Amino acid sequence: KQEVTQIPAALSVPEGENLVLNCSFTDSAIYNLQWFRQDPGKGLTSLLLIQSSQREQTSGRLNASLDKSSGRSTLYIAASQPGDSATYLCAVSRRGAGSYQLTFGKGTKLSVIP
Amino acid sequence: DTEVTQTPKHLVMGMTNKKSLKCEQHMGHRAMYWYKQKAKKPPELMFVYSYEKLSINESVPSRFSPECPNSSLLNLHLHALQPEDSALYLCASSLRTAAVRTNEKLFFGSGTQLSVL
Repeated sequence: KQEVTQIPAALSVPEGENLVLNCSFTDSAIYNLQWFRQDPGKGLTSLLLIQSSQREQTSGRLNASLDKSSGRSTLYIAASQPGDSATYLCAVSRRGAGSYQLTFGKGTKLSVIP
Repeated sequence: DTEVTQTPKHLVMGMTNKKSLKCEQHMGHRAMYWYKQKAKKPPELMFVYSYEKLSINESVPSRFSPECPNSSLLNLHLHALQPEDSALYLCASSLRTAAVRTNEKLFFGSGTQLSVL
């Protein structure tokens, strides 16, 4: 059974700092890995998707990397802003189950202090 | 249009009520999903519809009844719920081609916050 772990569970940083969020998974047979952002009581917004054949993806101040063999991904946020405060979830898609399903980590709650 | 729209945004119901949650997308996606999310927990998959047919039911109690009347709409009918069913219910959709592709992204709605009294 796939297990996804995110470390740390919570992170507080001053505005302007660069930061890294970590995600690890136990089964490397994945289609892709996605990073989502969730604001309190709201739905999930997809930030980046890394296909199983890719090593990284970039969007603006965000960069996500994937090391499938070691079961790890990182989300790098440059020059953090108070508007980045949210919970960040990583999710891996299951492969070989005949359908497309995501397994989520518990998330990292990020607070960026002005 | 890259939105998944869910209604209502909030719902309070008693244990004897019958209510429905609605989800709509106009992106031409042929896979639609219901997830349940308790506070401070990750989303948990409930149901998957693929080409308007139920393809996955993650052992969800029968008091939750999904329906996919057409390729754009997904409903979740609720009956005789328990207080522990209070949660954020999220709908999502994805393109779904005949073969699952590694770049298939899920699009989520904003959710319905359900409280069962």
